[in-house]
Amino acid sequence: KAGVTQTPRYLIKTRGQQVTLSCSPISGHRSVSWYQQTPGQGLQFLFEYFSETQRNKGNFPGRFSGRQFSNSRSEMNVSTLELGDSALYLCASSFIQKDATNEKLFFGSGTQLSVL
Amino acid sequence: AQSVSQHNHHVILSEAASLELGCNYSYGGTVNLFWYVQYPGQHLQLLLKYFSGDPLVKGIKGFEAEFIKSKFSFNLRKPSVQWSDTAEYFCAVNAPYSGAGSYQLTFGKGTKLSVIP
Repeated sequence: KAGVTQTPRYLIKTRGQQVTLSCSPISGHRSVSWYQQTPGQGLQFLFEYFSETQRNKGNFPGRFSGRQFSNSRSEMNVSTLELGDSALYLCASSFIQKDATNEKLFFGSGTQLSVL
Repeated sequence: AQSVSQHNHHVILSEAASLELGCNYSYGGTVNLFWYVQYPGQHLQLLLKYFSGDPLVKGIKGFEAEFIKSKFSFNLRKPSVQWSDTAEYFCAVNAPYSGAGSYQLTFGKGTKLSVIP
């Protein structure tokens, strides 16, 4: 079974640009979450989607947005990039059912975004 | 909102030494608790999880963790570490939010473990 696939693996952008990151979850997983990982802040929750609906959002500005498609693939978008957006962006999928909260997450390898 | 604290930023041990990594969380209600590990160059993967029942849970590669509700702790242990355990370890908590099944993990900042052969 293929794991969680994130593309691209590395990305270099300049301030003010926008970026779109892609995530393909494990087949059959309907929940997709996004996390930002930085050396200083660790892993921080961005948002979670389940069946194309955003169920929860972390404390990030509105420049961070996402969506999920009917095949459970997800994208996240960051507009008007800032230097502080440089981070590893991790996608995770889960076989979680609608009301279960103890399922484990399967993480992708991440997209390393550098903002210059 | 819940938070997770990991006591040690970097732990250095010799092979065969015993390991205990501390994790405390702040949340008064029911929680699900996890330890994830990130080996060098690899993606995050689950070591073990607790959601109910026996507070002593066993995970992969000989790791175990004990949930102590009165102390809001979920410490990770291993009796004898190996060089291959060198990795970064993350404690995480999921406290179900209002709204059916909303799933969000709050992670600690991680503990880097270096095992010296």
